[in-house]
Amino acid sequence: EAGVAQSPRYKIIEKRQSVAFWCNPISGHATLYWYQQILGQGPKLLIQFQNNGVVDDSQLPKDRFSAERLKGVDSTLKIQPAKLEDSAVYLCASSYRGDTEAFFGQGTRLTVV
Amino acid sequence: GEDVEQSLFLSVREGDSSVINCTYTDSSSTYLYWYKQEPGAGLQLLTYIFSNMDMKQDQRLTVLLNKKDKHLSLRIADTQTGDSAIYFCAEKSGGSYIPTFGRGTSLIVHP
Repeated sequence: EAGVAQSPRYKIIEKRQSVAFWCNPISGHATLYWYQQILGQGPKLLIQFQNNGVVDDSQLPKDRFSAERLKGVDSTLKIQPAKLEDSAVYLCASSYRGDTEAFFGQGTRLTVV
Repeated sequence: GEDVEQSLFLSVREGDSSVINCTYTDSSSTYLYWYKQEPGAGLQLLTYIFSNMDMKQDQRLTVLLNKKDKHLSLRIADTQTGDSAIYFCAEKSGGSYIPTFGRGTSLIVHP
């Protein structure tokens, strides 16, 4: 069974630039999560989707971050404009349902300079 | 303070047992998890325990839960160099589908 796929693996951008990350969840998984993991910290949930609807985006900085999952499968997370403090690993995870085990992708490491 | 707290580093000799500790604050936690993160990789669920259990064993892994003290531990028997990673404790309450993670404990296994 293929796992959660994320791209790119690494991205370096200058502050105030825009960036987008892509996630392809495990086939059949209705729930998709985006987490931000700053170096030395645990992952923090940014947004949770159930199919193509948002379940929780209370910790998403909506002035600069946006995410969508238009067809209920793949998802993109965008940052516009990026700040230095956005440097982190962005992890995508999916689960069959919201209350079952979540499987994580390898993450995208973003460095903002 | 943090909702889930862990010590940041643990160093052990290969073949010894490792014990990673975690404390949490939410008394309504229903599930408690241990995740492993190897360098450059995503999070891998190692094991979990329901809040009505005291202990769970899975091969070399033993999870102990002291619900009264809100203390969770992960014991790895016969620790190997391949166990070197960051171990995250996480808890989830019944009212939420979203686990809250600690900051992670870096386990360093040396020969």
